[in-house]
Amino acid sequence: KNEVEQSPQNLTAQEGEFITINCSYSVGISALHWLQQHPGGGIVSLFMLSSGKKKHGRLIATINIQEKHSSLHITASHPRDSAVYICAVSKTSYDKVIFGPGTSLSVIP
Amino acid sequence: NAGVTQTPKFRILKIGQSMTLQCTQDMNHNYMYWYRQDPGMGLKLIYYSVGAGITDKGEVPNGYNVSRSTTEDFPLRLELAAPSQTSVYFCASSATGPYGYTFGSGTRLTVV
Repeated sequence: KNEVEQSPQNLTAQEGEFITINCSYSVGISALHWLQQHPGGGIVSLFMLSSGKKKHGRLIATINIQEKHSSLHITASHPRDSAVYICAVSKTSYDKVIFGPGTSLSVIP
Repeated sequence: NAGVTQTPKFRILKIGQSMTLQCTQDMNHNYMYWYRQDPGMGLKLIYYSVGAGITDKGEVPNGYNVSRSTTEDFPLRLELAAPSQTSVYFCASSATGPYGYTFGSGTRLTVV
């Protein structure tokens, strides 16, 4: 079983829809990351959080430490949001990051 | 601001050939990492370094070697390339360990 899992694996949405991507993990963590990988391959860090909620523009990330679960929400989705969204965790007492398999999002005009 | 620079962007190798993937960062980050990304799989750590002169194996180090003679450079060496090494390779760096990564743009390698 992977230490970091994401759902759904693939997601297609109509422009304007509210989107939720889920991440669950099975290890103790010191931080959780959400990253975005565009079709060209570049990877950009969106959020790093260890508790609560963070918001940046139309993106919102939440984490529930007790349930070992995080969600990434996109409001008013747009075709330019089409990308692979990757959840990753920094394990407690471990100086490396474990990456989830990614969720491929396609937003259709 | 160059950030993390990887070269080359694409490469095709024949089985048994060797090559070096270059990675340079200009942010004075101590931590540097090499990952490979296979379709449908999460990024897997190949090697990492916590500072010049220090390197350590990650999850999938077999078939690869690294060196870290300077803070800026962290090249990844493939010896005797095999089809199983066909992948996209990403270099990353961070100032404070597993937080706030900056990624390079990736190298797409095909071994035929």
